[in-house]
Amino acid sequence: DTEVTQTPKHLVMGMTNKKSLKCEQHMGHRAMYWYKQKAKKPPELMFVYSYEKLSINESVPSRFSPECPNSSLLNLHLHALQPEDSALYLCASSQDSQLSYEQYFGPGTRLTVT
Amino acid sequence: GQSLEQPSEVTAVEGAIVQINCTYQTSGFYGLSWYQQHDGGAPTFLSYNALDGLEETGRFSSFLSRSDSYGYLLLQELQMKDSASYFCAALNQAGTALIFGKGTTLSVSS
Repeated sequence: DTEVTQTPKHLVMGMTNKKSLKCEQHMGHRAMYWYKQKAKKPPELMFVYSYEKLSINESVPSRFSPECPNSSLLNLHLHALQPEDSALYLCASSQDSQLSYEQYFGPGTRLTVT
Repeated sequence: GQSLEQPSEVTAVEGAIVQINCTYQTSGFYGLSWYQQHDGGAPTFLSYNALDGLEETGRFSSFLSRSDSYGYLLLQELQMKDSASYFCAALNQAGTALIFGKGTTLSVSS
């Protein structure tokens, strides 16, 4: 099973809402990633979790809060977002953070902030 | 820091061969990955070159020259379904995260 799942597929939220994105993998991977992708742009790294510990935070605003409850799950909590945060949010995993050249991506959550 | 340069667009016809180039400048280099992303879809891993030379996987091949800081993805016997964005990517200096190039949009016509 080489699948990474993400829910929801689409999300529309107001600037005062709180919502969460979820990501799950059952490949036994120990590194998980959150990316943000705008149209016609490459994925932009936000966070890296390695063995359930946050190892990289790419200076992401605090209105994005990641959480890794266990080795299979990754959440991204959203609060007080801005319209410019509208994007495709991709979750990915790799066997290990030292093997991050080969990542498996989920289908993404398309987020619209109104 | 890391930067990867690739052409923004490439067009070709079905059955043709196309080469997508990637040049990189990195403060530490481990190897070059390639990803494919269809419109509205997720990036999918295609290949990784850690050593110089050509790696072949079916219709797709990837090449790396460390001395020239250069790599390419070669797509043969192009099909309409190959129309997608292709990203080259390299690991950061710590080797723990991928930095992507800006992507090349490949359009295959009949």
